[in-house]
Amino acid sequence: RKEVEQDPGPFNVPEGATVAFNCTYSNSASQSFFWYRQDCRKEPKLLMSVYSSGNEDGRFTAQLNRASQYISLLIRDSKLSDSATYLCVVKQGTALIFGKGTTLSVSS
Amino acid sequence: EAGVTQSPTHLIKTRGQQATLRCSPISGHTSVYWYQQALGLGLQFLLWYDEGEERNRGNFPPRFSGRQFPNYSSELNVNALELEDSALYLCASSLGTYMNTGELFFGEGSRLTVL
Repeated sequence: RKEVEQDPGPFNVPEGATVAFNCTYSNSASQSFFWYRQDCRKEPKLLMSVYSSGNEDGRFTAQLNRASQYISLLIRDSKLSDSATYLCVVKQGTALIFGKGTTLSVSS
Repeated sequence: EAGVTQSPTHLIKTRGQQATLRCSPISGHTSVYWYQQALGLGLQFLLWYDEGEERNRGNFPPRFSGRQFPNYSSELNVNALELEDSALYLCASSLGTYMNTGELFFGEGSRLTVL
């Protein structure tokens, strides 16, 4: 089983749609969780951390279920500018483990 | 403020040759990380340097090596290049270690093509 697994997509949605990405991790000792965003041919950038209680940043909501080893990212009211690859990231010890990413394409 | 800078942007080598990639972290950042992003494989952790010392390495053979200089810039060396080394090599930096924030600042990468 891969350490961090994501559905690669692509997810193709119209503007204004709500879309959810899921991620599972294999190591129950994982300590911290993040979502990064990577635009086409650009470097990854931190989007948001994921907290056990769930957290929101504008249109973005992240949730963590430690018992199921599952992380999610919900994007509401999708914008064209949200088109990117979203990387699920898990901290294990001193390393950040990246998932392969889920590609989102928002169309008008 | 300048971000993480990497050079060269593109590099073409043949099998068996050596490649050297360079990275300058954000001013004030002491930790440098190297990741490999091969097509379809996602980011794979290569090396972590902090204060001039190698702190951790990923599951890569010894022909992947590097170092960090006193000014915190870093170099990644790949010896005896193989075709599967073709990838985007991303360097990232953080203030101290990223232990708490999880935030790495990435450069735009060096694309290595091995023919």
